[in-house]
Amino acid sequence: AQRVTQPEKLLSVFKGAPVELKCNYSYSGSPELFWYVQYSRQRLQLLLRHISRESIKGFTADLNKGETSFHLKKPFAQEEDSAMYYCALRAGSQGNLIFGKGTKLSVKP
Amino acid sequence: KAGVTQTPRYLIKTRGQQVTLSCSPISGHRSVSWYQQTPGQGLQFLFEYFSETQRNKGNFPGRFSGRQFSNSRSEMNVSTLELGDSALYLCASRDRGGKGNEQFFGPGTRLTVL
Repeated sequence: AQRVTQPEKLLSVFKGAPVELKCNYSYSGSPELFWYVQYSRQRLQLLLRHISRESIKGFTADLNKGETSFHLKKPFAQEEDSAMYYCALRAGSQGNLIFGKGTKLSVKP
Repeated sequence: KAGVTQTPRYLIKTRGQQVTLSCSPISGHRSVSWYQQTPGQGLQFLFEYFSETQRNKGNFPGRFSGRQFSNSRSEMNVSTLELGDSALYLCASRDRGGKGNEQFFGPGTRLTVL
C-alpha cells in the first residue's frame, strides 16, 4: 500500500540550529515526492519537489530510494520557518497526492 | 492569475442534513481535487475531476460525491451529514499533465456538523 510516514508530530528547535524533518514512504514504483508547508492562517503551498532538486527558502530534500526517504533539511532554522510541514507522494504522474500526517516545526528565538 | 477560491469559507450544519461546497480552480487548470483535513486523520484524498469526469477516488463512503462543470468549477456534496464529517475541506487545482504538475490549494471550507 502507498503510505507516507512523518514520525514526528512536533519538532522544536532554536533559531540558527539545523533542522531535519523526516519523511518515509512506501511505494513500489517511482514516486513523485513533495514537501508542502502551511504557515499560520495561510493556505497549503508547495515548498519543493524532488524532481526539481532545488533549494527553496534554504530548505533542501533528497530522495533516497534505498531508504525510501525524503527528509527535509535546513542548516540554519529561522523563526519564520515555524509552520506545519507535510510530505506528500504522488503515485504516477496522474495519481492523487498521499499526505503524511504532518510535522509542526517550532523555531524558538 | 487569481488563486483557487472556495465558497463558503465556513459552514455549520446539523446531523442528517446535506451540504454542497464549491471550488473555482485557477484559470486554465482543468483538474480539481478535493481533500478532507482533520486533526486525527490529516489530509485525505476524496476525489479528482478532470474534464468533467471523475478520474481518481479515495476511500470515502458514497455520501461524498462531486461533479465538475464545463468551466472546470467543481462542487462537492455530502449527504446525511455525520458528526465525523466536521473538517476542513480543501480543493486543489492543477494543469494535469502540464509543466510542473503542481497542485495549488484553496483556503478551504470549514464544515462544522452539530
